[in-house]
Amino acid sequence: DTAVSQTPKYLVTQMGNDKSIKCEQNLGHDTMYWYKQDSKKFLKIMFSYNNKELIINETVPNRFSPKSPDKAHLNLHINSLELGDSAVYFCASSQDLGYNEQFFGPGTRLTVL
Amino acid sequence: AQSVTQPDIHITVSEGASLELRCNYSYGATPYLFWYVQSPGQGLQLLLKYFSGDTLVQGIKGFEAEFKRSQSSFNLRKPSVHWSDAAEYFCATDNYGQNFVFGPGTRLSVLP
Repeated sequence: DTAVSQTPKYLVTQMGNDKSIKCEQNLGHDTMYWYKQDSKKFLKIMFSYNNKELIINETVPNRFSPKSPDKAHLNLHINSLELGDSAVYFCASSQDLGYNEQFFGPGTRLTVL
Repeated sequence: AQSVTQPDIHITVSEGASLELRCNYSYGATPYLFWYVQSPGQGLQLLLKYFSGDTLVQGIKGFEAEFKRSQSSFNLRKPSVHWSDAAEYFCATDNYGQNFVFGPGTRLSVLP
């Protein structure tokens, strides 16, 4: 049983399109995150949610909008995709906020053409 | 803001040799520190973590790390590297309980 799952694993799309990436965790965790890993492997936090409430919203274009329908899911919607959005997006979860191990999903490789 | 540095972008070792990957952090108080490994095309797997107590922590796959406050370091070690250890290694610290701040990563190559 996968603890943190993401779909799709690969996403190839044209500039200007709107796409979504889904994330689900079956660990019963309260907190979920989205990270972006760029072509140089650098990982940076984008958003975090705790009990469906937005906690962190880093300097991310407002074309990116997270949505958490329940504690087990945190989806990422991206509007008007740009070439620079190409990256690997990782979802993660932790028991709650505060100094806990984070469990990562397998990543979604987004390629914008 | 918290920051983590990993001075070595790429390290190559021979199989069976010992390994040390460096990590330095900036933090005023006692940090919470983690090492993750990312195999090609995979997600991140936790190797070990330090919260408090014994400064030498043991992890999975034969890895260990030592926390040295005086040097602001949390270096990862393994006495004998296996070919399957070739991967990207990330050091991370917890940003005041909100999110992780990752280092830039160190790519490990293993020669047969």
